[in-house]
Amino acid sequence: DAGVIQSPRHEVTEMGQEVTLRCKPISGHNSLFWYRQTMMRGLELLIYFNNNVPIDDSGMPEDRFSAKMPNASFSTLKIQPSEPRDSAVYFCASSLRRSEAFFGQGTRLTVV
Amino acid sequence: GIQVEQSPPDLILQEGANSTLRCNFSDSVNNLQWFHQNPWGQLINLFYIPSGTKQNGRLSATTVATERYSLLYISSSQTTDSGVYFCAVPSKGAQKLVFGQGTRLTINP
Repeated sequence: DAGVIQSPRHEVTEMGQEVTLRCKPISGHNSLFWYRQTMMRGLELLIYFNNNVPIDDSGMPEDRFSAKMPNASFSTLKIQPSEPRDSAVYFCASSLRRSEAFFGQGTRLTVV
Repeated sequence: GIQVEQSPPDLILQEGANSTLRCNFSDSVNNLQWFHQNPWGQLINLFYIPSGTKQNGRLSATTVATERYSLLYISSSQTTDSGVYFCAVPSKGAQKLVFGQGTRLTINP
């Protein structure tokens, strides 16, 4: 298996622009997680899905952030409009029910 | 929510040395994961260890769930072991992993 695949690996955008991050989970996994990593706050969960349904989005910072999972093999995290404080590394992870979670390589987002 | 504390925050060693990293958690858990974040930022799975001891080459991990801690042992350190080591446990009643702040390990040649 190719593991969790995220795209793009790097994204540089101007403040106010829309940013879309993409994730393909490991085939057969039914849970998908979006995390954000910053120096100040470490690794924090933004949202997670079970069987394509959002379960907990309490970590989504504000309405500018939204996430979707239209099917079992694809999820997006969208920021609109983006702000410099959104600059971080965004990770997607997947697992089979409550078992071991595996992470993608991350998307490094820079908002200038 | 559950709290996860890792120690030490930083560790600098010479190649060949052994090290022990600790992870304390504030509530009972039914699983625990250790990750290595390499200098390129990748989060690499090391152990999935709800309890007991597991070994993988020079690395081993022990979780004592009843006492709410886990230890990661690295023997005969190599420069490629450098990076940040995270432990993570599920939030009570939920699937989301809560991460500690990590231990930054630097192995000097």
